[in-house]
Amino acid sequence: SYVLTQPPSVSVAPGETASLTCGGQNLGTKSVHWYQQKPGQAPVVVISHHGYRPSGIPDRFSNSNSDNTATLTVTGVEAGDEADYYCQVWDSARVVFGGGTKLTVL
Amino acid sequence: QGQLQESGPGLVKPSHTLSVSCAVSGGFTYDSSYYWTWIRQSPGKGLEWLGYIHSRGSSSSNPSLRGRITMSIDTSKNEFYLRLTSVTAADSAMYFCAREEVTTSLFDLWGQGILVTVSS
Repeated sequence: SYVLTQPPSVSVAPGETASLTCGGQNLGTKSVHWYQQKPGQAPVVVISHHGYRPSGIPDRFSNSNSDNTATLTVTGVEAGDEADYYCQVWDSARVVFGGGTKLTVL
Repeated sequence: QGQLQESGPGLVKPSHTLSVSCAVSGGFTYDSSYYWTWIRQSPGKGLEWLGYIHSRGSSSSNPSLRGRITMSIDTSKNEFYLRLTSVTAADSAMYFCAREEVTTSLFDLWGQGILVTVSS
């Protein structure tokens, strides 16, 4: 079955740029979506494969995807960005989530 | 933009059946643009896709649960349902219902989740 690999944790200082990666075989051929989950809350879309961001998600969040790696980039990180982030694809008639990355703002 | 609300028992005995409902408001389960999906998250762990049901009757589930999971939908009540049989402690988790766009596989709407504990 298809596997998405995310680093367990990423730490950045406020104002810096965070790059959260999601790895998978030929991932660049798939649509990758990203979700943000804060403690005690349900996940929410942070950015879709086509760059859709729900209202309330700032344009500091952007995405890219090529070859075997998709990346969620957060520029000018703020304390409120601290959360778990999950990548997700559809593969072979099933949904696959990455294991999640905890973004810590130092 | 719609809301999803899970409901059901918070405590289920081992070997029994877990049943959770998801009420849809601000949208319609008969909308063929969406899959109605179940996802769970064990304490401190990541997201696990359980499966989806579509208003036209199609469904798909995680192979790891095959044989134990049943999903159904009642468009007249605007609800959909999850049943998981023969539960063990490993099935203790937060259960989320979510709406998934058929064309993009984007989960654009989530319920708040319901915590289900399997314990005697």
